Amino acid sequence: KAGVTQTPRYLIKTRGQQVTLSCSPISGHRSVSWYQQTPGQGLQFLFEYFSETQRNKGNFPGRFSGRQFSNSRSEMNVSTLELGDSALYLCASSLGTSGSADTQYFGPGTRLTVL
Amino acid sequence: QKEVEQDPGPLSVPEGAIVSLNCTYSNSAFQYFMWYRQYSRKGPELLMYTYSSGNKEDGRFTAQVDKSSKYISLFIRDSQPSDSATYLCAMSAIKAAGNKLTFGGGTRVLVKP
Repeated sequence: KAGVTQTPRYLIKTRGQQVTLSCSPISGHRSVSWYQQTPGQGLQFLFEYFSETQRNKGNFPGRFSGRQFSNSRSEMNVSTLELGDSALYLCASSLGTSGSADTQYFGPGTRLTVL
Repeated sequence: QKEVEQDPGPLSVPEGAIVSLNCTYSNSAFQYFMWYRQYSRKGPELLMYTYSSGNKEDGRFTAQVDKSSKYISLFIRDSQPSDSATYLCAMSAIKAAGNKLTFGGGTRVLVKP
């Protein structure tokens, strides 16, 4: 079974630009979550999508947004990039069931550098 | 103060030793506890998953949860150089809230041959 895939793996942008990252979950998984990982703050939850709806949201500004398509693939967008947005962006997929164990599997991440 | 605290290390041990990792947390709503391993330039990989309090063993790995003390541990027996990685604890509350993992900052582990 193929794992979680993320594209692109590396990105370099300049301040003020916007960026779109893509995530393809494991086949059959309906939940996709996004996390930001930085040396200073560690791994922080951005948001979760389930059946094309945002089900959960972390404490990030509105410049960070996402969406999910009917095939469960997800994209996240960051507008008006700031230097502090440089990070590894990780996507995790899971079945999305509630009331039971729902293991999240992570992709390799997209390394974003903002200059 | 962060919801989940984890010593950043690095923790250096000789091959064959027991690696002991732990996290403390403040949110009593956490009921699901996980340990992930992350190699450099890779995504986190799930090692152990525990619900509520108790112990769980899987091969060389043992996870312990003490909810009364808000403290979780991971033990790695017979450590190998391939165990050198960053270990992250993660937690989530009741499933009705959807998937939202809260992570510790990670502990770097170095197993020396």
